[in-house]
Amino acid sequence: EAGVAQSPRYKIIEKRQSVAFWCNPISGHATLYWYQQILGQGPKLLIQFQNNGVVDDSQLPKDRFSAERLKGVDSTLKIQPAKLEDSAVYLCASSFQRGGPDTQYFGPGTRLTVL
Amino acid sequence: DQQVKQNSPSLSVQEGRISILNCDYTNSMFDYFLWYKKYPAEGPTFLISISSIKDKNEDGRFTVFLNKSAKHLSLHIVPSQPGDSAVYFCASKGNTGNQFYFGTGTSLTVIP
Repeated sequence: EAGVAQSPRYKIIEKRQSVAFWCNPISGHATLYWYQQILGQGPKLLIQFQNNGVVDDSQLPKDRFSAERLKGVDSTLKIQPAKLEDSAVYLCASSFQRGGPDTQYFGPGTRLTVL
Repeated sequence: DQQVKQNSPSLSVQEGRISILNCDYTNSMFDYFLWYKKYPAEGPTFLISISSIKDKNEDGRFTVFLNKSAKHLSLHIVPSQPGDSAVYFCASKGNTGNQFYFGTGTSLTVIP
């Protein structure tokens, strides 16, 4: 079974530029998550999708971050414009269903450096 | 507000000995707990979980213990192997929604 795929793996941009990350979850997984992991911290949830609907985006900085999951499969996370403090690893995860004990499977992450 | 805390940022253990990683949580509504293992340049991978109806769950060399009254869980690795060297994150979730809260991680080094 293929795992969660993410691209690009690394991205370096200057502040105020835009950037987009892509995630393809495990086939059949209805729930998709985007996390931000700043160096030395644990992953922090940015947004959670159930199929193509948003379940939780309470911690997404909506003035600059946006995410979509068209057709309930792939997802993109965009930052526009980027700030220095956005430097982090952006992790995508998926799980089979929402609710109840359910393990999340993570992709390798995209390491973003904002200069 | 850090709802899940791992107070030891690092731990070194001799190969063959027991590794004990600790995690504390503050939210009494959390009812499901997981441990993830992370190698450099990779995403976290699921290791073991436990629900609040249990106080112990074992999988091979890995055992997770849950003390609900103390809001504390621990991961025991016996015997520790050099390949276990990684960062370990604990995560917790409540019985509503599916948001997991992660600790800051403990870097385990198993010395051959």
